[in-house]
Amino acid sequence: KAGVTQTPRYLIKTRGQQVTLSCSPISGHRSVSWYQQTPGQGLQFLFEYFSETQRNKGNFPGRFSGRQFSNSRSEMNVSTLELGDSALYLCASSRMVSGWGSTSTDTQYFGPGTRLTVL
Amino acid sequence: AQSVSQHNHHVILSEAASLELGCNYSYGGTVNLFWYVQYPGQHLQLLLKYFSGDPLVKGIKGFEAEFIKSKFSFNLRKPSVQWSDTAEYFCAVNVRYSSASKIIFGSGTRLSIRP
Repeated sequence: KAGVTQTPRYLIKTRGQQVTLSCSPISGHRSVSWYQQTPGQGLQFLFEYFSETQRNKGNFPGRFSGRQFSNSRSEMNVSTLELGDSALYLCASSRMVSGWGSTSTDTQYFGPGTRLTVL
Repeated sequence: AQSVSQHNHHVILSEAASLELGCNYSYGGTVNLFWYVQYPGQHLQLLLKYFSGDPLVKGIKGFEAEFIKSKFSFNLRKPSVQWSDTAEYFCAVNVRYSSASKIIFGSGTRLSIRP
């Protein structure tokens, strides 16, 4: 079965611009989570979507937003880009929201990431 | 605030040496624990996970980890490393509340194996 795919793989933008990243989960997975990975901060959780609704959110400013479509594909948007937004953005999918109304936690499968460079 | 600590940022070993990477978390409630690996040029892959039951968990490629609840630890071990184990290793903890959860990753440990 195909893995998690992310497009584009690389992006170069300038400060003040906005960017949209896309993630297609593994077939049958309904939860999509987004992470930011930087050398200094490591992996930080952005948000999680399940059934087109944001279920969990990390500590990022409102410039970071996302959405999920009925086919479980998700997009992440960053507006008014700053230099510090340069990072690898990872998407992960799982069958269900981790812990949401459930006694079990599902495993997340990661995509290859989108490398965003802000100049 | 909840956190995950991986105290070793960079570990260098020779082939056939034994490996233990530390992972400690700070959260007193229900947790699920994971170790992920990121090989050079590849994306994150799950090595092993602990949800419940036997605290000694076996994963892929000969890795295992032991959950010690009293120490809030989930250390990763391998008795004999190979050059192909060169990678970055991330510990992750899913902290669960009554109706939500969040996943916290450690800062990662870079493992270099000398052939």
